[in-house]
Amino acid sequence: AQKVTQAQTEISVVEKEDVTLDCVYETRDTTYYLFWYKQPPSGELVFLIRRNSFDEQNEISGRYSWNFQKSTSSFNFTITASQVVDSAVYFCALSDAGGGADGLTFGKGTHLIIQP
Amino acid sequence: GAGVSQSPRYKVAKRGQDVALRCDPISGHVSLFWYQQALGQGPEFLTYFQNEAQLDKSGLPSDRFFAERPEGSVSTLKIQRTQQEDSAVYLCASSLVLVNNEQFFGPGTRLTVL
Repeated sequence: AQKVTQAQTEISVVEKEDVTLDCVYETRDTTYYLFWYKQPPSGELVFLIRRNSFDEQNEISGRYSWNFQKSTSSFNFTITASQVVDSAVYFCALSDAGGGADGLTFGKGTHLIIQP
Repeated sequence: GAGVSQSPRYKVAKRGQDVALRCDPISGHVSLFWYQQALGQGPEFLTYFQNEAQLDKSGLPSDRFFAERPEGSVSTLKIQRTQQEDSAVYLCASSLVLVNNEQFFGPGTRLTVL
């Protein structure tokens, strides 16, 4: 069975601080995909990144960066120089390589609060 | 371009009523997913369609839940004899192809059962 754990329920930082959101996953599959989604107060999930299990290179997109460590089954997300607009709930998710037929397995989310 | 749309956005039902939730995926998207998101939790998978075929319904919590996508585009999630524990946000997502592509989510329908 697949499982995603986001141990941080809520994080509050002051604007311009860096913040890292943790994600640990469990799967028996050797091929799988990891995702991060952002859910602002409006409720609509916004896709941020997809990473397959064979690509362990870290990725940077503007102020966002992701650290994938297969050895520790972690896929952490860092926001550099945080801004108030980054305030949202962030979800890490996992799917196997079976055509996505099982949907995504989500963590419980981390509520990120950026204070001005 | 239009994203995934869902209607109604909010639905209040009395316990025992039947409800129908609609999802309009992005045009041309093959895959369609339904998720249930309880307050303070992550979305949980309910069911999946590839065109009009329902390939996985393992996440449906009971036989009161039924989903269809008869023409391979619009989908309806129906809940019969609603119970209070059905209160949640129901999210629909679509993706272009089968293999683990990015899923585009709609705004959800917030169902409250009194």
